[in-house]
Amino acid sequence: QKEVEQDPGPLSVPEGAIVSLNCTYSNSAFQYFMWYRQYSRKGPELLMYTYSSGNKEDGRFTAQVDKSSKYISLFIRDSQPSDSATYLCAMSPNDYKLSFGAGTTVTVRA
Amino acid sequence: DAGVTQSPTHLIKTRGQHVTLRCSPISGHKSVSWYQQVLGQGPQFIFQYYEKEERGRGNFPDRFSARQFPNYSSELNVNALLLGDSALYLCASSGQENTIYFGEGSWLTVV
Repeated sequence: QKEVEQDPGPLSVPEGAIVSLNCTYSNSAFQYFMWYRQYSRKGPELLMYTYSSGNKEDGRFTAQVDKSSKYISLFIRDSQPSDSATYLCAMSPNDYKLSFGAGTTVTVRA
Repeated sequence: DAGVTQSPTHLIKTRGQHVTLRCSPISGHKSVSWYQQVLGQGPQFIFQYYEKEERGRGNFPDRFSARQFPNYSSELNVNALLLGDSALYLCASSGQENTIYFGEGSWLTVV
């Protein structure tokens, strides 16, 4: 079993829809949780960072962490074609060694 | 402010050769990490350096080595290249706020 599980998709939604992404994990020591966006052949771009449990909102993005269920989510409201990318969840017990999911490929149709 | 910069962006090597990849962290960041990303997978942790000391190492063979310089830049070295080493090599830097930022990566193709 992988330490971090993420549905690879692909996920296709119409423009303006809510995109819902999630990851599950097995290591209860994880306390730093991040979401990255990666465009084709580019490096990952940090979208959201959360420490421990709770919700965090930044513009159209909302990140949720439920440590009791070992489950994290990312929601993208009012999705745009420019949101089409691969989304990676990442988590860590400390502040440096990240464990990543495999990434979910999202396409937003105009 | 410049982000994390990596060089070269693309390179092709032959099996058995050696490769050196370079990284400059964000100004003020003292921690540098290296990750390997194979196509279709998430990045895998290779090394982390903080203040020139190795702080962590992932499950990679001894052919992989790295170092950090006094100016906090870093090099990743891979010896005796295998076809399976073909991947995107990512450098990341982090500061006191514990957020981790990645560069655009170095695409390595081993033929």
